Amino acid sequence: DGGITQSPKYLFRKEGQNVTLSCEQNLNHDAMYWYRQDPGQGLRLIYYSQIVNDFQKGDIAEGYSVSREKKESFPLTVTSAQKNPTAFYLCASSKVLKTYEQYFGPGTRLTVT
Amino acid sequence: RKEVEQDPGPFNVPEGATVAFNCTYSNSASQSFFWYRQDCRKEPKLLMSVYSSGNEDGRFTAQLNRASQYISLLIRDSKLSDSATYLCVAPSTSGATNKLIFGTGTLLAVQP
Repeated sequence: DGGITQSPKYLFRKEGQNVTLSCEQNLNHDAMYWYRQDPGQGLRLIYYSQIVNDFQKGDIAEGYSVSREKKESFPLTVTSAQKNPTAFYLCASSKVLKTYEQYFGPGTRLTVT
Repeated sequence: RKEVEQDPGPFNVPEGATVAFNCTYSNSASQSFFWYRQDCRKEPKLLMSVYSSGNEDGRFTAQLNRASQYISLLIRDSKLSDSATYLCVAPSTSGATNKLIFGTGTLLAVQP
């Protein structure tokens, strides 16, 4: 079955540590996205990529980094510079010409204490 | 004004009821909008698109009112399984063609 996987589902880290969230898709989509969701707020775009080896900052990129070395993979690193890293992180993918139809992974709940 | 605004609810309705929620948007040039559904602690999933002619899919009807800059989602004959958060989504106004703006969502709770 085609889809997007994110791992792990829950992640706990100490403040000051970098952490990398995994996102893999086998839908053959060129575009991939990272969002964070906080209570009472809509999904906010962190980074997106339309093609391998290229990515753009979204609205809240500070304290995050990404790479896109393979079409199927778009890992997100939450660095110690991110002031409020505790959140629900969602990865999505889409065809480049159908960006409104995004397929989401199950998400990773990151808790930093 | 936020690009997309929704009433957070919750909308508590009995099974079988008809319920409607609206979403206002700020960019009058937007041509298309979308409703996503998000179950509790799960990922969002595309429910339906909304263009100028509206859209109907079974018990769900989405309409666009350009004059007042809002879109609506109507659910007829509500089922318990309709309980979820409904996210209103619009294309970004920032110029990037592949960015979406998600509303904060409207929570629907269908009661038995």
